[in-house]
Amino acid sequence: AQTIHQWPVAEIKAVGSPLSLGCTIKGKSSPNLYWYWQATGGTLQQLFYSITVGQVESVVQLNLSASRPKDDQFILSTEKLLLSHSGFYLCAWSQGQGVTEVFFGKGTRLTVV
Amino acid sequence: QEKVQQSPESLIVPEGAMSSLNCTFSNSASQSIWWYQQHPGKGPEALISIFSNGNKKEGRLTVYLNRASLHVSLHIRDSQPSDSAVYLCAVSMSNYNVLYFGSGTKLTVEP
Repeated sequence: AQTIHQWPVAEIKAVGSPLSLGCTIKGKSSPNLYWYWQATGGTLQQLFYSITVGQVESVVQLNLSASRPKDDQFILSTEKLLLSHSGFYLCAWSQGQGVTEVFFGKGTRLTVV
Repeated sequence: QEKVQQSPESLIVPEGAMSSLNCTFSNSASQSIWWYQQHPGKGPEALISIFSNGNKKEGRLTVYLNRASLHVSLHIRDSQPSDSAVYLCAVSMSNYNVLYFGSGTKLTVEP
């Protein structure tokens, strides 16, 4: 069975501090990986996607970056947090091309103060 | 960029009733439309998808797609309190790696 693990579960960080969120998918080979963000009360927005190791495409610019150092790992980061970065971050995966279901992790709640 | 709008924002129905949710999208070239269910503080879970014009039924769920009017609807028959959640409409474009979500409909099923 496939499992998706996100860390940390929640973070409280200061404005201007760095951030690193992580995601690991087990039980699937070469998945497509995604990062989504949802502001409190807001719409779920896709931030990045990655089809293969080392390649990441940006969808929405939010002064964040993403990397895929391993086939099963996806990292979201920034060197300087803004208040507007607060929200719920979701990692997700899918398999193959075309019309396929996207499976979401349990998310990381980020509060920037 | 795809624009996805959902209505109503909030829906309250009695147990056993039919729940009807709507979604419009901006681009007729949209590939597939998905409905997701999201509970507070959790990640969304896919319920049903549709690609071709017409309808698709799975259990208590029926989805209707009309590409000419850029409209898709989700109907939940015999709604249960456990169906209470936020329902998200999501549309994929020719680049299958991007999903555009609507702002959701909060469904409350009262016992």
